[in-house]
Amino acid sequence: DAGVTQSPTHLIKTRGQHVTLRCSPISGHKSVSWYQQVLGQGPQFIFQYYEKEERGRGNFPDRFSARQFPNYSSELNVNALLLGDSALYLCASSFVGENTEAFFGQGTRLTVV
Amino acid sequence: DQQVKQNSPSLSVQEGRISILNCDYTNSMFDYFLWYKKYPAEGPTFLISISSIKDKNEDGRFTVFLNKSAKHLSLHIVPSQPGDSAVYFCAASAGYGGSQGNLIFGKGTKLSVKP
Repeated sequence: DAGVTQSPTHLIKTRGQHVTLRCSPISGHKSVSWYQQVLGQGPQFIFQYYEKEERGRGNFPDRFSARQFPNYSSELNVNALLLGDSALYLCASSFVGENTEAFFGQGTRLTVV
Repeated sequence: DQQVKQNSPSLSVQEGRISILNCDYTNSMFDYFLWYKKYPAEGPTFLISISSIKDKNEDGRFTVFLNKSAKHLSLHIVPSQPGDSAVYFCAASAGYGGSQGNLIFGKGTKLSVKP
């Protein structure tokens, strides 16, 4: 079975541009979450979606937005990119329910120049 | 303020010996804890988890211990193997709405297992 897949794997953008990152969850998983990981830190929660609705949001500015599609795949959008947005963006999927593990994709490495 | 703390940035262990990775948390609402392993250029890989109603969970070479009164958990790897060399993250959740989508991570501990 395919794991969580993310695209693209690497991306270079210029300050002020917009970026869209994509995620396909493991088959059967309806919950998708996005995390940002900067060097030397653990992943930091950005959003959670399930049943196409936002279920949680971390402490990120409104430049960050996301959505989930009927097939449970998801997009993360970041507007007006800043140098500080350079990071590894991770998508995780899980079943919906208590005490279920989240499984991560390989991430998208975003570099803003 | 960090809610999940891994105070040792690195740990070096000889192959075949025990590796003990520690994690402390401050939020008493956390009820589910997970350990992930991460290699460079890969996403975190789930290792083992424990619910707050338990104090120990074992899976092969990996055992997680939870001390709720001390707000402390540890991951034991026995015996350690060179392939275990990676960054290990401790994560916690308060089970919002029954889903584990909102995980709070520590900064990680880099484990090096020497042959």
